[in-house]
Amino acid sequence: SQTIHQWPATLVQPVGSPLSLECTVEGTSNPNLYWYRQAAGRGLQLLFYSVGIGQISSEVPQNLSASRPQDRQFILSSKKLLLSDSGFYLCAWTQGLHTDTQYFGPGTRLTVL
Amino acid sequence: AQSVAQPEDQVNVAEGNPLTVKCTYSVSGNPYLFWYVQYPNRGLQFLLKYITGDNLVKGSYGFEAEFNKSQTSFHLKKPSALVSDSALYFCAVFQGGATNKLIFGTGTLLAVQP
Repeated sequence: SQTIHQWPATLVQPVGSPLSLECTVEGTSNPNLYWYRQAAGRGLQLLFYSVGIGQISSEVPQNLSASRPQDRQFILSSKKLLLSDSGFYLCAWTQGLHTDTQYFGPGTRLTVL
Repeated sequence: AQSVAQPEDQVNVAEGNPLTVKCTYSVSGNPYLFWYVQYPNRGLQFLLKYITGDNLVKGSYGFEAEFNKSQTSFHLKKPSALVSDSALYFCAVFQGGATNKLIFGTGTLLAVQP
């Protein structure tokens, strides 16, 4: 069966510091991968999605970036964090079509101080 | 553009009573609709989806949803609520075309009182 992992689970970083969040999927190949941010415990905002290695689509212009160095690995990065980057970051995957069910990882709680 | 609306920020229901969490949608073409549940500090868990076929969709944990094309609604229901059903519920619709993404509603907090 497929499993999705995210780490770290929680992170506290100072403003201006770099960021690297990792997401990996097991038990499947060539998944579509997604990064979301959830602010204030409610609305989900799609940040990036990827249909293959090195293929990244950005939904929201900001100081975040994403990379997909391996088939089942998706990384969210920032060179300099802002206070507004605080939130709950969720990774998700689908197999095949974008209309397929998205399955979410456990999330990373990021607090920028 | 596709969108979903969850008109209630919070729904309160007594344990054992039926529950309904409302969702309406706006799409061009056939809708692909989803319900997810989120427990505190956890990722979203898939409950059920409507792609085509029967208007009544059965999902996990005893939940079901009724697709109503004329009312453009996809309400989530359960015949008998449990305290453990208390969580945040999200409705979502797939937006195709150039963006290919899920559009989520703002979420409804379900509180089941014992």
